[in-house]
Amino acid sequence: DAKTTQPPSMDCAEGRAANLPCNHSTISGNEYVYWYRQIHSQGPQYIIHGLKNNETNEMASLIITEDRKSSTLILPHATLRDTAVYYCIVRGRNYGQNFVFGPGTRLSVLP
Amino acid sequence: NAGVMQNPRHLVRRRGQEARLRCSPVKGHSHVYWYRQLPEEGLKFMVYLQKENIIDESGMPKERFSAEFPKEGPSILRIQQVVRGDSAAYFCASSPGTGKLGSTDTQYFGPGTRLTVL
Repeated sequence: DAKTTQPPSMDCAEGRAANLPCNHSTISGNEYVYWYRQIHSQGPQYIIHGLKNNETNEMASLIITEDRKSSTLILPHATLRDTAVYYCIVRGRNYGQNFVFGPGTRLSVLP
Repeated sequence: NAGVMQNPRHLVRRRGQEARLRCSPVKGHSHVYWYRQLPEEGLKFMVYLQKENIIDESGMPKERFSAEFPKEGPSILRIQQVVRGDSAAYFCASSPGTGKLGSTDTQYFGPGTRLTVL
């Protein structure tokens, strides 16, 4: 079972920041927070991951609370092409651990 | 998607036939994972392989399904005697499995094979 809780859907205006929350209150000390997205029926696309520090890359920023029980994925300037299902996944650092996908958040970017 | 290739992209089979799905991982990646996504559902893990070894098949149905990742060539997911309930999107992911300190072995997914059983 997924260890995370996400809202089922969100809307965001094009050009605005999209802030996608995720709760992972049972996360353990060696578990990372990963974000993937799935556009329509394509393969999941890796976005970002982090352990306890905030992370930023060319796609997004990841803000993890100090107690690590929740996080927020930020798409700074959402475009229509960012419309997708976003998955927040908690996973240990041991090699070979599979990802457990929950239902995710369906983000709709509106013109 | 960082270079994982899957083929065919679409596969149609009649009940009772065999389906073979192929996955070529990112060059240099030695770990392969297969996931299945039923219509309107999330991805479910099926099997994890390294070269010539099945490491974790806890998500594989006990019958009709098998997977391999030979020393040379792509990983193959084989479904024998397909039934309508096998209709789904099958995704392959690969990871480097380098063991580098601090590396978290991120998985990169392919575009998937959509299997339709008539």
